[in-house]
Amino acid sequence: EMQLLESGGGLVQPGGSLRLSCAASGFTFNNYAMNWVRQAPGKGLEWVSSSSANGGTTYYTDSVKGRFTISRDNRNNTLYLQMNSLRVEDTALYYCVKREPSGGWYYFDFWGQGTLVTVSS
Amino acid sequence: DIQLTQSPASLSASLGDRVTLTCRASQSISRYLHWYQQRPGKAPKLLIFAASSLQSGVPSRFSGSYSGTDFTLTISSLQHEDFATYYCQQSYNTFYTFGQGTKLEIK
Repeated sequence: EMQLLESGGGLVQPGGSLRLSCAASGFTFNNYAMNWVRQAPGKGLEWVSSSSANGGTTYYTDSVKGRFTISRDNRNNTLYLQMNSLRVEDTALYYCVKREPSGGWYYFDFWGQGTLVTVSS
Repeated sequence: DIQLTQSPASLSASLGDRVTLTCRASQSISRYLHWYQQRPGKAPKLLIFAASSLQSGVPSRFSGSYSGTDFTLTISSLQHEDFATYYCQQSYNTFYTFGQGTKLEIK
């Protein structure tokens, strides 16, 4: 059974740092690009960052560029998001999401349950 | 950036109704448009990929179609579990974007 289990969220002050982890199981992790998507309380979905299957190519939404770093450990089937210089507006539930490449359409076919990041003084 | 505009923002409907939700892209994105359902307190779930392909395990009352930059999600006969928020998402480029969502409520 496919599983994505996020951890590492919590309460942090503005300017602080957190590292999120996502432990994957039930599929061949190193065959798939992985993503982080966030959802602020009561708001919609926002794509944050993506990593290619081997970790060699990464992308970020403009608002986190230079502050967040996505990485992965394919030996241990784990995806990370290092978040520095956190802002109040980064407060959200962060989802780890698997991207399915079938047919070249690149859709998000499996989501974790999320880990909550709260940035507040 | 590719913008996705969903309409309506919210919709009230009754059990058994047929409803259509719309997502308009700010530029041509071919069929790189996918639909997700999010129930309260739950993670999003993929319903439709590539504009009109039904994800495995999703009931056949869900369908997707498109014309140019306009995409629609249709639910043919609303069931209780369909009352949720629906999001569209584009993967035409790697800076993926979502629509703002349509909240489907019970009338």
